[in-house]
Parts: sequence; structure tokens; C-alpha cells
Amino acid sequence: QQQVKQSPQSLIVQKGGISIINCAYENTAFDYFPWYQQFPGKGPALLIAIRPDVSEKKEGRFTISFNKSAKQFSLHIMDSQPGDSATYFCAASMVGNEKLTFGTGTRLTIIP
Amino acid sequence: KAGVTQTPRYLIKTRGQQVTLSCSPISGHRSVSWYQQTPGQGLQFLFEYFSETQRNKGNFPGRFSGRQFSNSRSEMNVSTLELGDSALYLCASSSTVTQETQYFGPGTRLLVL
Repeated sequence: QQQVKQSPQSLIVQKGGISIINCAYENTAFDYFPWYQQFPGKGPALLIAIRPDVSEKKEGRFTISFNKSAKQFSLHIMDSQPGDSATYFCAASMVGNEKLTFGTGTRLTIIP
Repeated sequence: KAGVTQTPRYLIKTRGQQVTLSCSPISGHRSVSWYQQTPGQGLQFLFEYFSETQRNKGNFPGRFSGRQFSNSRSEMNVSTLELGDSALYLCASSSTVTQETQYFGPGTRLLVL
């Protein structure tokens, strides 16, 4: 049972544009929502994370928007750069639990 | 601080064999989690160890097992390998507080022939 659905599967964005990746979850017990970035040959690295008590969190060019009632959250990458080309995973976990449930990933390509 | 290290980085085995993968967490981290990454199933949680005790377990058969040592280093073992076990096995460590940032290692790529 897939508990975190991620879309799109792949995304091509022009340099300087906004990249948007969406995730939806089913389990209302989830209370921690991180986004991970993975480059080929590397393990995933935490990009930014949010908890349900806030609707938005921004760190540099990266913003998470969170809609608790819709059980959805999204990652926005502003002023996308070629160096942002990677695979992005949303994830979720429950309080007191290290287990991360991952989305299926989005391969982002930034073109000049 | 040194990051999470995993050995070996690459491994080729044949069906029916067993394999042991090793993970050294970031110094001071006591929680170690293991994940399997495949193109078809994505990233799936295997298990988590904290202070030498398995604290969480994913939905994998009993052929997959793990352990953690007193220095927080962890090993996972897969017995009676199947072709479908070919994957990137990732280890992640975090500090004592739950839901702290998990830091992933580069993974061990296992190919089962």
C-alpha cells in the first residue's frame, strides 16, 4: 500500500523557472514531512522538512507548502538552476518513529 | 564530522548465496536505519536499530536481518539471495531524538546473478 503519492514522475524546467513537485499522503498519523534530493551515485540528502503546525517553510530557493486538510504538500524550487537537476523524494514519518515512507521520486532536469 | 560510510560499495553475488553489508554511522548517532532502493519499488524501509535493539521493521521477508553493535555500527544480512534482491541498499543514521534529520550513506549496490 503506497501511502505517499508523488507527481510528476519527471519534470523538465527551464533555467530560472519554478519547479513544483507535489505529494499526497493518506495516513493522518504522519506528522513530519521531509524532502530529499538524490544525485546519481549518492545517497539521498535532506533538503528541507516541515511539520503540520505550519503551512509553509522557506529555506533559500526551496519552499514547502503544506495543506493539512487536503493531506498534500509540495516543493517549490525558485530560480531553478542546472545544478538542481536531480531526483527528489518526498517522505513522511509518524511521531516517535524513524521510519520514513517515501514517495516514488521525481526526476528533475533543468535546461539552459 | 565524517559522514555515514557503507562497505562494500559494490557487490556481485549469485542466487542462493548470502551477503553482509556494513554501515558506520556519523559519530554520536545511535539510530541506524536501512532502506532498499530499486527502480520498481523505490525507497523501502527495511529496519531501524537504536542502542543495539531493533526498534522498527518494514515488510520484508525474514531473509533480511540486521544487527547493531555497541559502537552503533550496523550490519544487515540477506540470506538465500534472489534475483529480486538486486538493489541499492542505503543506510541512514540520526541522533538520539526521533525524527531528527536522517543522514544517508552512499549505499551498497548489490547485483544478484
